[in-house]
Amino acid sequence: DAGVTQSPTHLIKTRGQHVTLRCSPISGHKSVSWYQQVLGQGPQFIFQYYEKEERGRGNFPDRFSARQFPNYSSELNVNALLLGDSALYLCASSPSSRPSNYGYTFGSGTRLTVV
Amino acid sequence: KNQVEQSPQSLIILEGKNCTLQCNYTVSPFSNLRWYKQDTGRGPVSLTIMTFSENTKSNGRYTATLDADTKQSSLHITASQLSDSASYICVVSAGDDKIIFGKGTRLHILP
Repeated sequence: DAGVTQSPTHLIKTRGQHVTLRCSPISGHKSVSWYQQVLGQGPQFIFQYYEKEERGRGNFPDRFSARQFPNYSSELNVNALLLGDSALYLCASSPSSRPSNYGYTFGSGTRLTVV
Repeated sequence: KNQVEQSPQSLIILEGKNCTLQCNYTVSPFSNLRWYKQDTGRGPVSLTIMTFSENTKSNGRYTATLDADTKQSSLHITASQLSDSASYICVVSAGDDKIIFGKGTRLHILP
């Protein structure tokens, strides 16, 4: 079985541009969460989606948005990129709407560099 | 405020030696605690998970302990290998579904 797959693996963008990151959860998992991990720090929660509905949102500006599709894959969109958006973006999938209890599996991440 | 603090921030040991990483948390209500290994530029991979009633859990050369009274956990690595070089992240889940990540301990194994 394929694990959580994220694309692209690496991305370089310039300030002010827009970026879309993609995530395919483990087959059968209906929950997808997005995290931002700046170098040397732990992951910071951005969004959780379950059954195509937003279930949680972290403390990120409105430039960050996401959605989940009927096949449970997900996109994270970031507008008007800033240098500080440079980070590893992680996707985590879970079979449950409560990943804190039922566990979650991370993808390998997308490394975004904003120049 | 829910917080997870890890120490040390970084650690360097020789191959074959043992080491212990620490995690202190102030998360309430407590649900479970996970230790993750994260290779550079990769996603975290789960090593162990412990609930309130468990005080030790092993996964090969990795042994995690949990003291729910003092709100402390440790990850002990036995007979370290070069492939153990990574960041180790302590993650605590609260009963209200919040997941709190520590900043991690960066472990370097030298040959």
